[in-house]
Amino acid sequence: AAGVIQSPRHLIKEKRETATLKCYPIPRHDTVYWYQQGPGQDPQFLISFYEKMQSDKGSIPDRFSAQQFSDYHSELNMSSLELGDSALYFCASSIGTLLPSKTQYFGPGTRLLVL
Amino acid sequence: SQKIEQNSEALNIQEGKTATLTCNYTNYSPAYLQWYRQDPGRGPVFLLLIRENEKEKRKERLKVTFDTTLKQSLFHITASQPADSATYLCALERRTGRRALTFGSGTRLQVQP
Repeated sequence: AAGVIQSPRHLIKEKRETATLKCYPIPRHDTVYWYQQGPGQDPQFLISFYEKMQSDKGSIPDRFSAQQFSDYHSELNMSSLELGDSALYFCASSIGTLLPSKTQYFGPGTRLLVL
Repeated sequence: SQKIEQNSEALNIQEGKTATLTCNYTNYSPAYLQWYRQDPGRGPVFLLLIRENEKEKRKERLKVTFDTTLKQSLFHITASQPADSATYLCALERRTGRRALTFGSGTRLQVQP
């Protein structure tokens, strides 16, 4: 079965650079969530999109922005990178944010290292 | 403030025994509680979901209980196997509004052969 695809899987950037992470949800899933997981930490919710509109916002820094495109894939844009941005970034997808709880299916993550 | 607590110490058990993991929460009224498994460097994998009006849910060797009075969920793995070794995260989802998950810090389970 198709799973959530994230690219790139690994990314190394320097401080103050920008990075773009991509997420391709499971086919027919219309909701995408972004989470950040620091070393030894639990995943922290950043932002979510439903039907290409932002549906919820968590602890996403102002330096980050994201969007969901017409094909439902999503991109997380990170600017002015800081050392503390080094983490695993997970994308998850589900069907219908307005319906009773739906399972979120997580991608393999993008490991970002900021030097 | 809202808090989700899982035992931060690793749980070591012998193969074949039942592993029991605890998730406690405060200042939260979740509609749903989910349990995920996470292996190092990989994304969380969904295991079970239990609703606020359900007391217990089972799936193969897994069992989850949900006590909204105690604000606690217990996650059991019976007949544990070394392959069950992983970090197990509980996650809460609210009734309305934000549907994103709020995760606990996870408990690492190590099953010894």
